Amino acid sequence: AQTVTQSQPEMSVQEAETVTLSCTYDTSESDYYLFWYKQPPSRQMILVIRQEAYKQQNATENRFSVNFQKAAKSFSLKISDSQLGDAAMYFCALAITGANSKLTFGKGITLSVRP
Amino acid sequence: GAGVSQSPSNKVTEKGKDVELRCDPISGHTALYWYRQSLGQGLEFLIYFQGNSAPDKSGLPSDRFSAERTGGSVSTLTIQRTQQEDSAVYLCASSFGLLPAYGYTFGSGTRLTVV
Repeated sequence: AQTVTQSQPEMSVQEAETVTLSCTYDTSESDYYLFWYKQPPSRQMILVIRQEAYKQQNATENRFSVNFQKAAKSFSLKISDSQLGDAAMYFCALAITGANSKLTFGKGITLSVRP
Repeated sequence: GAGVSQSPSNKVTEKGKDVELRCDPISGHTALYWYRQSLGQGLEFLIYFQGNSAPDKSGLPSDRFSAERTGGSVSTLTIQRTQQEDSAVYLCASSFGLLPAYGYTFGSGTRLTVV
């Protein structure tokens, strides 16, 4: 079975500053994907960034980047130049390739951005 | 359609009544997932459909929960004899196929409140 742990329930960041959201996971599989999703009040889960486990290079998407430490099973999200629109819940998730490829989610973290 | 559509957006029901939640996936997406998001919790996998294969029902919490997918497209999640602990946001996601590499598109969910 897979588990995803987000131990910080809430974080706050000043606008234009950088913030890092933590995530650890556990799986015995070797072929998997890791995701960060953003959930604004509209409830729709929006993909922020995705990392393939077999790729050593950390994924980046504009102001968003990850620090993927496979041996430590850690997958943190760094948001640079934080904007007011970044305020939302953020979920870390894991999907194993094969079987039904369902997503296993962490409990999420609420990020607030101070103007 | 352009995205995953879920209806109703909000549903209030009395304890003991049956409810039906609808998900209309993206056209051509063969995989469909239902998740439940309870207050303060991450998303919990409920059920998965892929093409004409037998669904993976391993996440359904009790036999009061059932789901079907007609014609490989629209899916309905039915909760019989609703209980207060069923109150949650029910999210649907669809994907082009079995591989996490295809990504997942989520709907905006149905917020179910059992009174």
